[in-house]
Amino acid sequence: SQQGEEDPQALSIQEGENATMNCSYKTSINNLQWYRQNSGRGLVHLILIRSNEREKHSGRLRVTLDTSKKSSSLLITASRAADTASYFCATGRNYQLIWGAGTKLIIKP
Amino acid sequence: GAGVSQSPSNKVTEKGKDVELRCDPISGHTALYWYRQSLGQGLEFLIYFQGNSAPDKSGLPSDRFSAERTGGSVSTLTIQRTQQEDSAVYLCASGDGGPQDTQYFGPGTRLTVL
Repeated sequence: SQQGEEDPQALSIQEGENATMNCSYKTSINNLQWYRQNSGRGLVHLILIRSNEREKHSGRLRVTLDTSKKSSSLLITASRAADTASYFCATGRNYQLIWGAGTKLIIKP
Repeated sequence: GAGVSQSPSNKVTEKGKDVELRCDPISGHTALYWYRQSLGQGLEFLIYFQGNSAPDKSGLPSDRFSAERTGGSVSTLTIQRTQQEDSAVYLCASGDGGPQDTQYFGPGTRLTVL
């Protein structure tokens, strides 16, 4: 069963704008991970944030985690056409990752 | 270095036939995972191997599904008597294992059961 739920299910923005995706989950976690999936490169790990962390940055990516609300957000700044993909959050507990259904992001040129 | 590889990339089979899907993990990774992804959906956990420990098979949807990992490296996922609802992309991932593991995914095998 899926634990994470991404919001929105789909997002379409202009190139250069920022994109924000949210993820909610249900049970306690060790970490929360964001992955990107597109037809060209398959499923790729973007960033991992541990349960004792609140914010993490990697390049144009910023992830926040609020364990009290059981939610996370992924912000992509200055979006590019190459960012067009589906984005998944996956919550880690022990060794398992439980996945949401993803947010489909489309960057319009 | 080489990433996770899977074969075949595409498999079309008839209902009732058996299929074998192969995964070659990243060398040195002790953890290996199989997932299934239906169109437009997230990943569904199937099975997890870690070193020489007994695998976690809790995600296998039925006894028609089985997997093995030989020599702690290559893994084969077998689906017996395939059904149309087995049609999906089957993804393999490997990692170092442990609670903060990052998983590295293969390109997947797209299985179509006619």
